[in-house]
Amino acid sequence: GQQVMQIPQYQHVQEGEDFTTYCNSSTTLSNIQWYKQRPGGHPVFLIQLVKSGEVKKQKRLTFQFGEAKKNSSLHITATQTTDVGTYFCAANFGNEKLTFGTGTRLTIIP
Amino acid sequence: NAGVMQNPRHLVRRRGQEARLRCSPMKGHSHVYWYRQLPEEGLKFMVYLQKENIIDESGMPKERFSAEFPKEGPSILRIQQVVRGDSAAYFCASSPRVFYQLFFGSGTQLSVL
Repeated sequence: GQQVMQIPQYQHVQEGEDFTTYCNSSTTLSNIQWYKQRPGGHPVFLIQLVKSGEVKKQKRLTFQFGEAKKNSSLHITATQTTDVGTYFCAANFGNEKLTFGTGTRLTIIP
Repeated sequence: NAGVMQNPRHLVRRRGQEARLRCSPMKGHSHVYWYRQLPEEGLKFMVYLQKENIIDESGMPKERFSAEFPKEGPSILRIQQVVRGDSAAYFCASSPRVFYQLFFGSGTQLSVL
């Protein structure tokens, strides 16, 4: 079926270290979105990538969409305690349904 | 512009009862999505609706579950004869158009005793 795999499932980092989560699909994606869910909260939209090879930055966050539009990554530079949460990628496989990845749960060690 | 409103926030039901979860999308949004989330797990797509129409219900169990989004009023996710396995957080999201970002509600935590 149409799935989006994310790795790692969990990531523990020291505050100030960098963090990266990867999202992979076996099929070409129309676009990819990234969401963040704080513990006990609801998913909040971060960004959408549409073009092959696209790179977008939001302060310490860098998002990339692969050239083949089958993978994406989110990189956080110099993590802070406010970055704690689960990061999900989500994709449309040519239809309106938005399929979420398995998520990467980030915890920060102060 | 108020966000996506879901109610109740918490719902407790005994096995065999019915659960009705409500979702009012953001003003101007005609696309509604329902997702289910178990603790420590991801978001599982259930159903996608536009006003008065079910567009994609491929993630919804065939039995006991139904969804609607009437012309007037909130979207309703209905679970009949609940079982313990239905216990989860149910999130609703809305969007003004397809292939656009989703705006999520705070979710309804369903607990089945």
